[in-house]
Parts: sequence; structure tokens; C-alpha cells
Amino acid sequence: AAGVIQSPRHLIKEKRETATLKCYPIPRHDTVYWYQQGPGQDPQFLISFYEKMQSDKGSIPDRFSAQQFSDYHSELNMSSLELGDSALYFCASSWGEGYNEQFFGPGTRLTVL
Amino acid sequence: EDKVVQSPLSLVVHEGDTVTLNCSYEVTNFRSLLWYKQEKKAPTFLFMLTSSGIEKKSGRLSSILDKKELFSILNITATQTGDSAVYLCAVSGGTSYGKLTFGQGTILTVHP
Repeated sequence: AAGVIQSPRHLIKEKRETATLKCYPIPRHDTVYWYQQGPGQDPQFLISFYEKMQSDKGSIPDRFSAQQFSDYHSELNMSSLELGDSALYFCASSWGEGYNEQFFGPGTRLTVL
Repeated sequence: EDKVVQSPLSLVVHEGDTVTLNCSYEVTNFRSLLWYKQEKKAPTFLFMLTSSGIEKKSGRLSSILDKKELFSILNITATQTGDSAVYLCAVSGGTSYGKLTFGQGTILTVHP
């Protein structure tokens, strides 16, 4: 079965650079969630989109922005990167805006040097 | 603020043992509780529970929810080394549209 696709899988950036993470949800899923997982931490919710509209916002820094496109894929844009942004970034998708199971992608490991 | 607490934080057992992982939560307007297994990569979905007292089962894994006492348990019988992982409990509810609040996880290690 098709799963959530994330790209890139690994990303190394310098401080103050920008990064763009991409997420392609499971076909027919209309909701996308972004989570950040630091080393030894549980995933922390950043932001979500339902039918191309932002549906919820968590602890996402102002330096980050995201959107969902007409084909339901989503991009997380991160600017002025800081060392503390180094983490695993997961995208999850579901159908029906929070009423159903969320399936996670493989994650993007971002390292900021 | 939504809160999820898992216990124990870590557990070491031998193959064939049965384990019970606990998850307690505080959330307004509870919607669902989910269990995930994480093995150094993405969390893998196990169960979603919305109703009290109805056991969900998949092979050697089972889970049940108690909405009155605000907790859930995940049971694994006849454990295998492949069950070694971090087990995450998460809840959705409040005013959100499905965002998950995770517990800190239980690290399960199964020795041969």
C-alpha cells in the first residue's frame, strides 16, 4: 500500500540558511500534519492542513511557514535556521480532518551546523 | 493543556514474556487515543481507540480504553525481540482538528 512520502530524507544546512521539506500524503488523504521530534523527545505538533487550508497550529516558530497545495502535498519552509532546529521532521496524513488514523512518513532528518 | 503520561518509561523483558504498557491522559473534548510503535524511524500505527471497553486486537497486541478513568493499556503477549521499540501513546481532542499530543513513550527491550 502507498505510504506517506517525504523528501529529502536527510538535509544538512548551515545556521541562518533556509530549508524546504516536502510531504506527499497517502492518496485520497486530505489532511496533513507536521511534527518535530528532537533527540530522545516525543513528536511535537507544528501545524496541520485540511483541504488546503490551515486547520491547526502548534509550537511552530514564526521563522517557519507551511502550505498545502492543490494536489494535497505540503511543504514546510524553514528560514534563519538555528542549531536547535536540528531534529527529525515527520509528516503524517489522514482522511477526514482528525477523525481517522494518522499515518506517518519516514521523516526528514535536518542537521543544522 | 492536553497531557499524556506513559508508564513505565522503560521495560526490559525476555522473549515469551507478556507486557502491559500504560497511558493516562488529560484532554478536554476527547476524540481518540492512538498507539504507535517507533523503531528509530517513523512511528508505525498500531491502534486507534475511541470507545470505552472495546478491545482492539492485532495478533499478539491488544489495547483497551477506559474513558471514565482516562487511561489505556497496550498488551503484548509472547514477546519477541522484534517487539523491541519505543511505544508511543497519543491523544487528540480539545479544540484541535486532530493534532496529536504524545506521551514520552515506553522503551521496550526484549532479550532473547
